[in-house]
Amino acid sequence: DAGITQSPRHKVTETGTPVTLRCHQTENHRYMYWYRQDPGHGLRLIHYSYGVKDTDKGEVSDGYSVSRSKTEDFLLTLESATSSQTSVYFCAIRAGTAKETQYFGPGTRLLVL
Amino acid sequence: QQQVKQSPQSLIVQKGGISIINCAYENTAFDYFPWYQQFPGKGPALLIAIRPDVSEKKEGRFTISFNKSAKQFSLHIMDSQPGDSATYFCAASGIQGAQKLVFGQGTRLTINP
Repeated sequence: DAGITQSPRHKVTETGTPVTLRCHQTENHRYMYWYRQDPGHGLRLIHYSYGVKDTDKGEVSDGYSVSRSKTEDFLLTLESATSSQTSVYFCAIRAGTAKETQYFGPGTRLLVL
Repeated sequence: QQQVKQSPQSLIVQKGGISIINCAYENTAFDYFPWYQQFPGKGPALLIAIRPDVSEKKEGRFTISFNKSAKQFSLHIMDSQPGDSATYFCAASGIQGAQKLVFGQGTRLTINP
């Protein structure tokens, strides 16, 4: 998993509660990404970061916020979870010889009841 | 204009046969086309990728064919094996800047022994 860890790996929460997912990398990569995976939609980009405190929106950013206060950690927050945010969330980093490959973490399975 | 359309949704192939998965894109600014392989409970892993300056790229039993004028690309798996049974995703992005990958919907491939 290219030195990427995600926590928690599984979470069940209730509608309206805040949830924070953590992505941690050990190799000082500049770019980090959050995607969600849903049946029939593939993976869709939520937010990404290109450095400490530098973040931007992706395709499906509504209802999500992110923070990156350290190079190694990229946090995804659902301010008030909804059932439509039940999904599998993947973090990715960009690495490789030409810095063109995204490597994905093991994922976090989130169920919002 | 950001969509990547992938077909078929599911595919069953006999061991030793050729598996073919197709993708079409709309955004002519895309210049990086990776394929990812995902096993149940795991994150997607890069299988092979192509840039538009070549029409074909082969790595072992896996080949990407790329048709720039038709805005289509495909994955061919030769001599398909039961261990190839997985979900495959095509994706596309610009390679400069943020590299915001746009994924196809995925193809669930089953190789029958």
